[in-house]
Amino acid sequence: NAGVMQNPRHLVRRRGQEARLRCSPMKGHSHVYWYRQLPEEGLKFMVYLQKENIIDESGMPKERFSAEFPKEGPSILRIQQVVRGDSAAYFCASSPPNRGSNYGYTFGSGTRLTVV
Amino acid sequence: DQQVKQNSPSLSVQEGRISILNCDYTNSMFDYFLWYKKYPAEGPTFLISISSIKDKNEDGRFTVFLNKSAKHLSLHIVPSQPGDSAVYFCAATPSSATSYDKVIFGPGTSLSVIP
Repeated sequence: NAGVMQNPRHLVRRRGQEARLRCSPMKGHSHVYWYRQLPEEGLKFMVYLQKENIIDESGMPKERFSAEFPKEGPSILRIQQVVRGDSAAYFCASSPPNRGSNYGYTFGSGTRLTVV
Repeated sequence: DQQVKQNSPSLSVQEGRISILNCDYTNSMFDYFLWYKKYPAEGPTFLISISSIKDKNEDGRFTVFLNKSAKHLSLHIVPSQPGDSAVYFCAATPSSATSYDKVIFGPGTSLSVIP
């Protein structure tokens, strides 16, 4: 039973390019969460999605960032016109519909985005 | 405004001794607390949690203590082992198991266990 799969592990983009980060949740998990870890900072919530629905995007920057979780395929976090400040580790987590007794998520290994 | 605070960015402990990682929170709506452990180049992994109806939860070498009146929790690791060297994130949520609210993470404490 594979865990949460994120790809690519490392992504280098030039300023102004687009970055697409992919996340496949654990089998049986229908809820996906994206977090961002900036250097020297903790994990900041970005967005929570269920299949074909954005439930909470209160942590998403208002511009250039979007997320989707289509009926088929992985969840995608898309960053348009990247800037140096977007350089960070982006983590995806998933959970089943009822989180269970630990209320916790299962995280992927992250995508490290570097904007040059 | 940081709702979950970990005021010690780093901690060094001798192997075999106790490691104590502290966490404070400001949101009185939080009623479930979690600790995650993170190695470099890996995602965080769930370690232990505690509900606000308890003041202690123990799992092997790991114990979490909650002082709800002080809005403070701590993670005790005893005895500490070199493999425990990692970043530890404190996290909190106001949710129940069947409803949603996002999990809020602290900035993390980097623990080094010295052999």
